[in-house]
Amino acid sequence: QVQLQESGPGLVKPSQTLSLTCTVSGGSISSGGYHWSWIRQHPGKGLEWIGYIYYTGITYYNPSLQSLVTISLDTSKNQFSLKLSSYTAPYTAVYYCARLKLEPHYFYMDVWGKGTTVTVSS
Amino acid sequence: SSELTQDPAVSVALGQTVRITCQGDSLRRYYASWYQQKPGQAPLLVIYGKNNRPSGIPDRFSGSTSGNTASLTITGAQAEDEADYYCNSRDSSGNHLLFGGGTKLTVL
Repeated sequence: QVQLQESGPGLVKPSQTLSLTCTVSGGSISSGGYHWSWIRQHPGKGLEWIGYIYYTGITYYNPSLQSLVTISLDTSKNQFSLKLSSYTAPYTAVYYCARLKLEPHYFYMDVWGKGTTVTVSS
Repeated sequence: SSELTQDPAVSVALGQTVRITCQGDSLRRYYASWYQQKPGQAPLLVIYGKNNRPSGIPDRFSGSTSGNTASLTITGAQAEDEADYYCNSRDSSGNHLLFGGGTKLTVL
């Protein structure tokens, strides 16, 4: 059974780059068939899609975050990562990683990590 | 447009049927997926595609689409169904994903 676990610093200084990692267990991220996604949720707010990556390295990002976001893979560690630059206070949030299945007319995210909270403070 | 619109809150009496809707132009082309989120928990996939339920999701959950509106129906709502529900689809490019703003379901 595939499981995902987010990790990274819970505290980030303003304007620093946030770096998070999602470790995948129970399956290989390089086996194909699935994309790997990041989603965040500000306190008391809804879900916001950040971006996703395929094992080939192809990425797609939320247009509103495109200039700030980088998602990458480390197949040797079975991990994928998120970097979000110029991290600022309004972006304190819970970050989730998820497994994404894309089909021509539908898709779904069927396995999610538990989420990790990132707070901005100097 | 690149938006999905949901009613902020819906309530249902215990055992009754409730429909949660999601509107957006992209739904004319792509099916929505639906997620349930309880406080302090990660989202849980409940419906995807035309009307598919992942293993373990009760059959009281169902999905449908008409025009630009996707619906999640709970037939015989239970107390444990009280949660936030989010729809999710693609934008017109097909490469970017969208979430609706979420609907808070209260079971009375």
